[in-house]
Amino acid sequence: EAGVVQSPRYKIIEKKQPVAFWCNPISGHNTLYWYLQNLGQGPELLIRYENEEAVDDSQLPKDRFSAERLKGVDSTLKIQPAELGDSAVYLCASSVEGPNEQFFGPGTRLTVL
Amino acid sequence: AQSVTQPDIHITVSEGASLELRCNYSYGATPYLFWYVQSPGQGLQLLLKYFSGDTLVQGIKGFEAEFKRSQSSFNLRKPSVHWSDAAEYFCAVGKVSGTYKYIFGTGTRLKVLA
Repeated sequence: EAGVVQSPRYKIIEKKQPVAFWCNPISGHNTLYWYLQNLGQGPELLIRYENEEAVDDSQLPKDRFSAERLKGVDSTLKIQPAELGDSAVYLCASSVEGPNEQFFGPGTRLTVL
Repeated sequence: AQSVTQPDIHITVSEGASLELRCNYSYGATPYLFWYVQSPGQGLQLLLKYFSGDTLVQGIKGFEAEFKRSQSSFNLRKPSVHWSDAAEYFCAVGKVSGTYKYIFGTGTRLKVLA
């Protein structure tokens, strides 16, 4: 069984530039999560989808961050414009439903210069 | 504030020694509890989980955890550590009183001495 796929694995951009991250969850997983992980910290939830619906986006900085999950499968997280403080690892995870075991992708390491 | 606390940022043990990683939560009701492991450059992997029932839960890779309601704790243990256990370990909360939370602790980095 294929795991959660994320791309790119690494991204380096200049501040004020846009950036997008892509996630393909495990087949059949209805719930998809985007997390931000700063160095030396635990993951922090940005947004949670149940199928196509964003059911929890309370921690997503909506002035610059946006996300979508078309057709309830793949998802894209976008930052526009990026700031220096956005440098972090962005993790995508999926689960069958609800607060069950989450399967994490390897993450995208973003560096904003 | 409601939170998940891992008091130990770093722990170093010798290979073959026993291990205990601490986790405390500050929620009024018993939450869904998880332990994840993250190796360098890897995604997080679930070690074990507790929802209800038997307070001693067994996980993968020889790990176990004990839920103690009176202490609001969910400590992770392993009787004999292997060098490959060196990684970062995260305790997490998934649900409290019907509300989904998804809160992770700050992690404990484990170093194993040969």
